[in-house]
Amino acid sequence: AQTVTQSQPEMSVQEAETVTLSCTYDTSESDYYLFWYKQPPSRQMILVIRQEAYKQQNATENRFSVNFQKAAKSFSLKISDSQLGDAAMYFCAYRRFNAGKSTFGDGTTLTVKP
Amino acid sequence: EAQVTQNPRYLITVTGKKLTVTCSQNMNHEYMSWYRQDPGLGLRQIYYSMNVEVTDKGDVPEGYKVSRKEKRNFPLILESPSPNQTSLYFCASSLARNQETQYFGPGTRLLVL
Repeated sequence: AQTVTQSQPEMSVQEAETVTLSCTYDTSESDYYLFWYKQPPSRQMILVIRQEAYKQQNATENRFSVNFQKAAKSFSLKISDSQLGDAAMYFCAYRRFNAGKSTFGDGTTLTVKP
Repeated sequence: EAQVTQNPRYLITVTGKKLTVTCSQNMNHEYMSWYRQDPGLGLRQIYYSMNVEVTDKGDVPEGYKVSRKEKRNFPLILESPSPNQTSLYFCASSLARNQETQYFGPGTRLLVL
């Protein structure tokens, strides 16, 4: 069974600084997708970024980027120029290609200090 | 507006009283799924559906039922709720199984007394 591990239950960052959230996963599959979701206090789940395993290039969305290390099964999220609105719970998620099951990590709570 | 809706958003009930949480999407998505979120445990998948009349178990299906009679709807049924099913529930959908980005509903907070 696939597992997703987020080893940092809580992280904090100063406004305008950079922070990196860690995620590791375990799978025997070669084709899969990885995601980072943001959950603000409203509890809405918002997609931040996604990465296809077959792509070597790391995904980037504005201030958000990932460091995808397929061999190490590592998928970290970097948030640059952190803003107060980035404060939220962040979840790493795995989904095998062409399959219905998804696995989420336990989440990392990010605090942004003004 | 493209969206996933859930009803009710909040529900307090008692042990053993059957309930249904509805989920509907207006994006013609083939894939739909239910998750529960508990403190410290992230999201855990309950059931998913790849298309109409096709459903399968996720990681925590015990105590839940689902049906997919129409493409847009995917209700979650608790035949005999118990206090350990107190949780925050999310419905999600995606265009097809190869369109992996899931769109989430707003969540349903359930309290079983």
